[in-house]
Amino acid sequence: DAGITQSPRHKVTETGTPVTLRCHQTENHRYMYWYRQDPGHGLRLIHYSYGVKDTDKGEVSDGYSVSRSKTEDFLLTLESATSSQTSVYFCAISESNNRVAEAFFGQGTRLTVV
Amino acid sequence: DAKTTQPNSMESNEEEPVHLPCNHSTISGTDYIHWYRQLPSQGPEYVIHGLTSNVNNRMASLAIAEDRKSSTLILHRATLRDAAVYYCILQLYSGGGADGLTFGKGTHLIIQP
Repeated sequence: DAGITQSPRHKVTETGTPVTLRCHQTENHRYMYWYRQDPGHGLRLIHYSYGVKDTDKGEVSDGYSVSRSKTEDFLLTLESATSSQTSVYFCAISESNNRVAEAFFGQGTRLTVV
Repeated sequence: DAKTTQPNSMESNEEEPVHLPCNHSTISGTDYIHWYRQLPSQGPEYVIHGLTSNVNNRMASLAIAEDRKSSTLILHRATLRDAAVYYCILQLYSGGGADGLTFGKGTHLIIQP
């Protein structure tokens, strides 16, 4: 299994509080991604990173920010959590961005905003 | 972006072959066809990918139509552990960015013992 660890695995937080989810990899892959998965929507890309300090927005980036200060860590921050951000969050890594690159996914973080 | 169409769900019996279809009629000549699956309570995992020719690996086979407008993922002998949501994805290449994967809703495969 690819070395990807998401933390925490489960979190319940109150509306309006900041939340940070962490993705840690031991594969030294250049590309890292954050997705969210909601019933009826499949997985949707929030933000991605193509190197240290290099990040960009995905399809559903509003309300989220990311940071990558080290190759191995990619942080997803909800500055002020809302109930609409209740979801399962998946981190993924990939060695390359070419068309044959395989992506490896973490186990997910289940976030509930009450 | 090119899109894919898959049946919402399929059911099969254990130890029988399973053919999971995917339509991608707007595929471009440079798009690769990838399949991922997601087991219950887990993240997606890579299954197979191809461009034009049929492909085989230890998990499955991928049959690609000659016009590339459709493909079929083949599980040769399904087990209960193959029960999952299967996603057919076209991998685009922007050349400069890291696009990520565009997931549809996939096919929920149910395996009966």
